Amino acid sequence: SAVISQKPSRDICQRGTSLTIQCQVDSQVTMMFWYRQQPGQSLTLIATANQGSEATYESGFVIDKFPISRPNLTFSTLTVSNMSPEDSSIYLCSVGGVFGDEQYFGPGTRLTVT
Amino acid sequence: RKEVEQDPGPFNVPEGATVAFNCTYSNSASQSFFWYRQDCRKEPKLLMSVYSSGNEDGRFTAQLNRASQYISLLIRDSKLSDSATYLCVVNRDDKIIFGKGTRLHILP
Repeated sequence: SAVISQKPSRDICQRGTSLTIQCQVDSQVTMMFWYRQQPGQSLTLIATANQGSEATYESGFVIDKFPISRPNLTFSTLTVSNMSPEDSSIYLCSVGGVFGDEQYFGPGTRLTVT
Repeated sequence: RKEVEQDPGPFNVPEGATVAFNCTYSNSASQSFFWYRQDCRKEPKLLMSVYSSGNEDGRFTAQLNRASQYISLLIRDSKLSDSATYLCVVNRDDKIIFGKGTRLHILP
């Protein structure tokens, strides 16, 4: 499985500001995914990031709020824009497995918005 | 009705016991199934895929019942280190759907 790192691991931000989360993979992957996990909840897919094309967003998530970059096959960023306390969550990136449709996750970014 | 449902637990089980939990899915077009494990404040990690014929990995056995639309996970000879949240995951049309998880506490 791929080794995935995320930065920052955690942050406390003021409402109205933006935070960019970085996801780095140790091998080239076609698809990268961004999830959100709110306290006591399951994972919710925000968007799928493919290299060389715009990200595909799930229902309820929009590019203006969660812009995503995918400049190459090993790196992606997710920005949480104009944050409110409701954005407090863990944000995780993941990549697909080589042999199947399982996924492997980064360690997550724990965001608190005050 | 949620597409993937699990009993949230917690299941409090003495060390060495066998524990089983199920997950139901609502869409019969679901194609592949997984169990993930998530430790407190950590990311989910793939535990095992679930195949139609059932599969076993050491103390863990996973089974799929397509007719009744559920998957199960059985843990034998449970260890303290098995304490975690177990997430049921379903793939439908390349869309990955996570259950909310079942919390398991193994008691010494």
